[in-house]
Amino acid sequence: ELKVEQNPLFLSMQEGKNYTIYCNYSTTSDRLYWYRQDPGKSLESLFVLLSNGAVKQEGRLMASLDTKARLSTLHITAAVHDLSATYFCAVDWTGNQFYFGTGTSLTVIP
Amino acid sequence: KAGVTQTPRYLIKTRGQQVTLSCSPISGHRSVSWYQQTPGQGLQFLFEYFSETQRNKGNFPGRFSGRQFSNSRSEMNVSTLELGDSALYLCASSTTGLAPYEQYFGPGTRLTVT
Repeated sequence: ELKVEQNPLFLSMQEGKNYTIYCNYSTTSDRLYWYRQDPGKSLESLFVLLSNGAVKQEGRLMASLDTKARLSTLHITAAVHDLSATYFCAVDWTGNQFYFGTGTSLTVIP
Repeated sequence: KAGVTQTPRYLIKTRGQQVTLSCSPISGHRSVSWYQQTPGQGLQFLFEYFSETQRNKGNFPGRFSGRQFSNSRSEMNVSTLELGDSALYLCASSTTGLAPYEQYFGPGTRLTVT
């Protein structure tokens, strides 16, 4: 069974600092998705990474994919309070069946 | 374009009862997937429907079932509810059912079983 692991599970960081969330998965896949979830809300799509070496950036967030290492990273630059949320990575392996990571709960402290 | 809608948003049921949840995908989307989210197990895939056919099924007991209608709307049913079925049930839709499967999630139905 495909396993998707994220670390850290909890992240508390000060505003203005940089940090990286890691997503490791256990089988070959070249499709990796990042989502954001605010408390009590649904999942919001952030990035879709479709090939080895893919890099996408939106505002203070940048995601990358290394399919050979089975690793994706979500880098946060100069964090602001509005980025506080839970971030999930997901891999689709057998076709439209997403396997989600455990989630990283991010709290940005002023 | 309207997003994915789910009804009802909140539901309280008693053990042993059954429940039906509904999902309307984004217009033009033919694939609908269902997920269960709990604090202990995280987000787990239940099943996926495309053009009224179940294409994928997760590792859940037969008490969990679903269907999709010709207008792509989907329902999931849980029979003989257990306390452990308390969860947020999320529905997601995607376009053609071909990769990449970018999924758009609905607001969820929060089910509480007492």
